[in-house]
Amino acid sequence: GAVVSQHPSRVICKSGTSVKIECRSLDFQATTMFWYRQFPKQSLMLMATSNEGSKATYEQGVEKDKFLINHASLTLSTLTVTSAHPEDSSFYICSASRQGGMNTEAFFGQGTRLTVV
Amino acid sequence: SQQGEEDPQALSIQEGENATMNCSYKTSINNLQWYRQNSGRGLVHLILIRSNEREKHSGRLRVTLDTSKKSSSLLITASRAADTASYFCAPSGNTPLVFGKGTRLSVIA
Repeated sequence: GAVVSQHPSRVICKSGTSVKIECRSLDFQATTMFWYRQFPKQSLMLMATSNEGSKATYEQGVEKDKFLINHASLTLSTLTVTSAHPEDSSFYICSASRQGGMNTEAFFGQGTRLTVV
Repeated sequence: SQQGEEDPQALSIQEGENATMNCSYKTSINNLQWYRQNSGRGLVHLILIRSNEREKHSGRLRVTLDTSKKSSSLLITASRAADTASYFCAPSGNTPLVFGKGTRLSVIA
């Protein structure tokens, strides 16, 4: 199956700093990628839809200035958590569909465990 | 966005037994997908069933779909300890995949 690589897998940062998480589709082009957030023993919460070459679409309640998304190429989307606070500590997961559509199988990255101290 | 609700929330069985988990949703769909998540990892796609299909098999997995009842079930036969994970359904229409709380399956050796 297709591979989506997410980096880093774990990161610890100090409050007030910014952290960038990368999501790459390794063997297919993804015009659309999705970013999720997951708290322990909870479901994945969709944060935003990342669109190649255009602005991301954020879900209600997600601060776009807090969570910056850039999708500059067909194989890379980045999520930057700006001015991180301890409450931003969470598990962040990206996904991409082969055709960029929303009705096909989605491939997920391995996730990034962010800890803000 | 469409979200499925998995039931039960937690399931504990002995190795070799079958595990059945259910999913209910509210709106019309093009397909429904099941995913597995091992602790601390990303999701792995298990199976996709289209709205015009009623049953689909993949190895030890059997998925059914009843669009009239807006429900689906995932059956794992002859379970193994390695099947221990959370399982999520994702009803899919024209919106991004969204997930419910999932079913946490524990298979005891």
